[in-house]
Amino acid sequence: EIVLTQSPTTMAASPGEKVTLTCRASSSVSYMHWYQQRSGASPKLWIYETSKLASGVPNRFSGSGSGTSYSLTINSMETEDAATYYCQQGSSYPLTFGSGTKLEIK
Amino acid sequence: QVNLLQSGAALVKPGASVKLSCKASGYTFTDYYIHWVKQSHGKSLEWIGYINPNSGYTNYNEKFKSKATLTVDKSTNTAYMELSRLTSEDSATYYCTRLRYYDGTYYFDYWGQGVMVTVSS
Repeated sequence: EIVLTQSPTTMAASPGEKVTLTCRASSSVSYMHWYQQRSGASPKLWIYETSKLASGVPNRFSGSGSGTSYSLTINSMETEDAATYYCQQGSSYPLTFGSGTKLEIK
Repeated sequence: QVNLLQSGAALVKPGASVKLSCKASGYTFTDYYIHWVKQSHGKSLEWIGYINPNSGYTNYNEKFKSKATLTVDKSTNTAYMELSRLTSEDSATYYCTRLRYYDGTYYFDYWGQGVMVTVSS
């Protein structure tokens, strides 16, 4: 099973600040996918195939990485970006998720 | 538009079973696998398994093989997950989700609203 480790676990950012969330895989994966989950809501596909933004996702978000190291970056933090972000690998079964990064607004 | 509508919250007694539903609309039901994901309160997401709505073929996470049973009813575009011998560890929110595939990778593009299962006497 591929284990995904996200860091940090929790962080707070000020409006306008640049934010980078990291996801490390225990084995190499071909792509990484990211989901945003707001409190009380279902996860939403946010970034897929490492760097493609899902429909409706603002372009201040970006994704990058390869092999075992991936990241999600917010160019300029906004209030509405406060949520928990999960990475997910789809290279091998069982499909697995990271433990999440809770992003708060300062 | 694609929609996955899940059944309402369930309160069930320890040792009992519960059957959750997920009604798909807005796309051809048999064209996409349906997966189920567990989220315990305040915790991360765990993949339970999937079903191919066309053939009925299923694949489970080893951890859930004796816990979950996935079925579909093509006539109503509905997927089901039955959880058996429930304990407090099964109290969680369960999501159905649609799978996408690209270039050797899988991900979930649409999610149901989730159903909270509470196991309590």
